Amino acid sequence: AQKITQTQPGMFVQEKEAVTLDCTYDTSDPSYGLFWYKQPSSGEMIFLIYQGSYDQQNATEGRYSLNFQKARKSANLVISASQLGDSAMYFCAMREGRNAGNNRKLIWGLGTSLAVNP
Amino acid sequence: DGGITQSPKYLFRKEGQNVTLSCEQNLNHDAMYWYRQDPGQGLRLIYYSQIVNDFQKGDIAEGYSVSREKKESFPLTVTSAQKNPTAFYLCAIKSSDTNEQFFGPGTRLTVL
Repeated sequence: AQKITQTQPGMFVQEKEAVTLDCTYDTSDPSYGLFWYKQPSSGEMIFLIYQGSYDQQNATEGRYSLNFQKARKSANLVISASQLGDSAMYFCAMREGRNAGNNRKLIWGLGTSLAVNP
Repeated sequence: DGGITQSPKYLFRKEGQNVTLSCEQNLNHDAMYWYRQDPGQGLRLIYYSQIVNDFQKGDIAEGYSVSREKKESFPLTVTSAQKNPTAFYLCAIKSSDTNEQFFGPGTRLTVL
């Protein structure tokens, strides 16, 4: 069963507008972490933001914020004030288990392609 | 210059040949991972290693082999047993102090 679902294969957004990329997950482990990565056309995978299942507040990193709705098992990425350089693939991932010392594998979604229009 | 390096960026091999992809890091991180990415797909875990001289199979280990003789290095060998080796290969590292994995620039392998 797929544990990470990204339902939007492709998204378009106008420069300077905000965009939300959807991610839903499935786990029976009460402790888990959720990640978003960006993959430009060059191929490198760039870490954006992390949310722990026990974190009280939604994670934010600059223009990135994570809309974490635990009861709905969703962890949507919000990019504010989109820039042309935000055009890339975006992947949601999950790791079961809580602590940073946990080196278990990440489970990946299939990604969403974001295009920012000038 | 710190970080994680993968070489080469592009690699071409003939069908039936084994090929070894390099992954090196100088950040002293314990955990290292190899992923495969096919077009339009997410990442799939091939092998990972949490300490030197130890490694575990991931979800798609068949046709691949690894070694972890040094903390800095985690080479991946794509053997002739791998039926569809053409793909983008990403190496990642992780510290026990942080949650996220950090990725190298990747190697695009094409088997002709």
